Amino acid sequence: DAGVIQSPRHEVTEMGQEVTLRCKPISGHDYLFWYRQTMMRGLELLIYFNNNVPIDDSGMPEDRFSAKMPNASFSTLKIQPSEPRDSAVYFCASGHRVGGNQPQHFGDGTRLSIL
Amino acid sequence: DQQVKQNSPSLSVQEGRISILNCDYTNSMFDYFLWYKKYPAEGPTFLISISSIKDKNEDGRFTVFLNKSAKHLSLHIVPSQPGDSAVYFCAASRHGSEKLVFGKGMKLTVNP
Repeated sequence: DAGVIQSPRHEVTEMGQEVTLRCKPISGHDYLFWYRQTMMRGLELLIYFNNNVPIDDSGMPEDRFSAKMPNASFSTLKIQPSEPRDSAVYFCASGHRVGGNQPQHFGDGTRLSIL
Repeated sequence: DQQVKQNSPSLSVQEGRISILNCDYTNSMFDYFLWYKKYPAEGPTFLISISSIKDKNEDGRFTVFLNKSAKHLSLHIVPSQPGDSAVYFCAASRHGSEKLVFGKGMKLTVNP
């Protein structure tokens, strides 16, 4: 089975530009999570969806960040306008309910650099 | 406020020896704990988990121990292999919540 697929793998853009990160979860998973990894804060949850509905966006840092999940096989994380401090690795993960033997499965991430 | 703490940023061990990775948590409501392993340029991959109703869970060379009274868990890798060299993340969740809270990770280096 294909794992979680993220695109692009790397993104370099100038401050002020709009950035869109994409994620295709594992088929059949009903939860989707967006994380950000930085040296200072480690791996932090930004937002997660259940059955395409946003459940908790308390980790989204600012209104410049938005996420959508139009269907079960696709999600986007958008930053507009982007700032240098948004530079980080962004991970998407999917899974079933936490617990038991069903952990979250992560994609390989998008390394974002804002100049 | 870091609810899951991995206080040592790195560990270096010799191949064949035991690696012990530690994790502390502050939220007594956490009842499910996981370890993830991450190689460079890849996403974290699930390694092993433990529920708060247990104090030990073993899977091959990997064993996780949970001490609820001390709010402490540890991952033991025996014997350590060079392929185990990676960053290890400890994570925790509360009953009924799908949110995982991660530690900042610890880099393990296993020397041949």
